[in-house]
Amino acid sequence: AQSVTQLDSHVSVSEGTPVLLRCNYSSSYSPSLFWYVQHPNKGLQLLLKYTSAATLVKGINGFEAEFKKSETSFHLTKPSAHMSDAAEYFCVVRPYMDSNYQLIWGAGTKLIIKP
Amino acid sequence: DSGVTQTPKHLITATGQRVTLRCSPRSGDLSVYWYQQSLDQGLQFLIQYYNGEERAKGNILERFSAQQFPDLHSELNLSSLELGDSALYFCASSFRDSSYNEQFFGPGTRLTVL
Repeated sequence: AQSVTQLDSHVSVSEGTPVLLRCNYSSSYSPSLFWYVQHPNKGLQLLLKYTSAATLVKGINGFEAEFKKSETSFHLTKPSAHMSDAAEYFCVVRPYMDSNYQLIWGAGTKLIIKP
Repeated sequence: DSGVTQTPKHLITATGQRVTLRCSPRSGDLSVYWYQQSLDQGLQFLIQYYNGEERAKGNILERFSAQQFPDLHSELNLSSLELGDSALYFCASSFRDSSYNEQFFGPGTRLTVL
């Protein structure tokens, strides 16, 4: 069965320090992987996606993620946090061979930025 | 702005009532997805339509139904509303129905059932 695990429900970092949001997935086949961000009282916005091309994926707002098949991970990173990064982040898997291609959502990680 | 529009933004109604949420996908997108986001259950996939036909069902209650019209806009109908139906309802769209196509989300409709 396919699944996504976001290892931290909350992550708190100081402004200007690195961000690491962890995501592990379980999929029988090569999946597509996404990170979405949801700012307070806003809709969901795609940050970046991996679709079996380069394993290091660059997204918007300075975020990037690395696909590591051996570790079944797709962690999201940013070198230097900004106050505007405070939001909830969702790791999402879309199994390639799943017949209806439905997204499997992680539970979300709330990123808190301390001044 | 994702290009997906949803109306209304807010809806307040009473238990037992029926409401209709509307979604217009991005221009050219054929697939529409509906999601429910609540505090206790997170983001739940409800249903997907592709070019007017139901494609997949998730955790959608029998009291809920949806359809996609020839102009590709979609409506989600919620009936016999209960307090627990209070949530944020998102619509998303994608061009086709493949694993490579990301979904673009609308701003959501916040439903409050009193």
